Amino acid sequence: AQSVTQLGSHVSVSEGALVLLRCNYSSSVPPYLFWYVQYPNQGLQLLLKYTSAATLVKGINGFEAEFKKSETSFHLTKPSAHMSDAAEYFCAVRSGGSNYKLTFGKGTLLTVNP
Amino acid sequence: SQTIHQWPATLVQPVGSPLSLECTVEGTSNPNLYWYRQAAGRGLQLLFYSVGIGQISSEVPQNLSASRPQDRQFILSSKKLLLSDSGFYLCAWSGPPLGTEAFFGQGTRLTVV
Repeated sequence: AQSVTQLGSHVSVSEGALVLLRCNYSSSVPPYLFWYVQYPNQGLQLLLKYTSAATLVKGINGFEAEFKKSETSFHLTKPSAHMSDAAEYFCAVRSGGSNYKLTFGKGTLLTVNP
Repeated sequence: SQTIHQWPATLVQPVGSPLSLECTVEGTSNPNLYWYRQAAGRGLQLLFYSVGIGQISSEVPQNLSASRPQDRQFILSSKKLLLSDSGFYLCAWSGPPLGTEAFFGQGTRLTVV
């Protein structure tokens, strides 16, 4: 079985501060991991993905995430928050093998204060 | 390029009425297709996914059903809506390789009254 836990349903940072959104996964086989962003009343947009290549993955809008197998984590970071980063962020996992299910965490709402 | 269309964008339906939400994908063949429901504070709940025509996997027993009558068409249905069916419904597709990401439609806001 696969699952995702996002620690913190709401994170608030000041503009220019570091953004850290936490994601831990559970998978019985090497996973594929994804981070998505959602703006109000819209679909989800892919930020970045891990597919067993480099453990440090760079995505769009200055975000990056590091896959740590020993910690079963895939935390999302951005060095300096911008007002436009305010949105909801979702971590997702798909286990390998023949499993096509894509399982999401409950999401983290990021607020950026001026 | 590939695109995904989902409609309608908003829908208000009375309790007990039927439901049909349609999703179509263009520019690819044999996609994996997904229906998710999003409720506030509960993330995205996978409802159904399909790896081919007529192949539907149900994740959560409920008042809804899904069908895939054509390769790039995915339909979410209900015979009688419940108040608890209200939510934001998202259709998505991904390529066959497991490492590929899912691409989402713009969603349907369903309110059952």
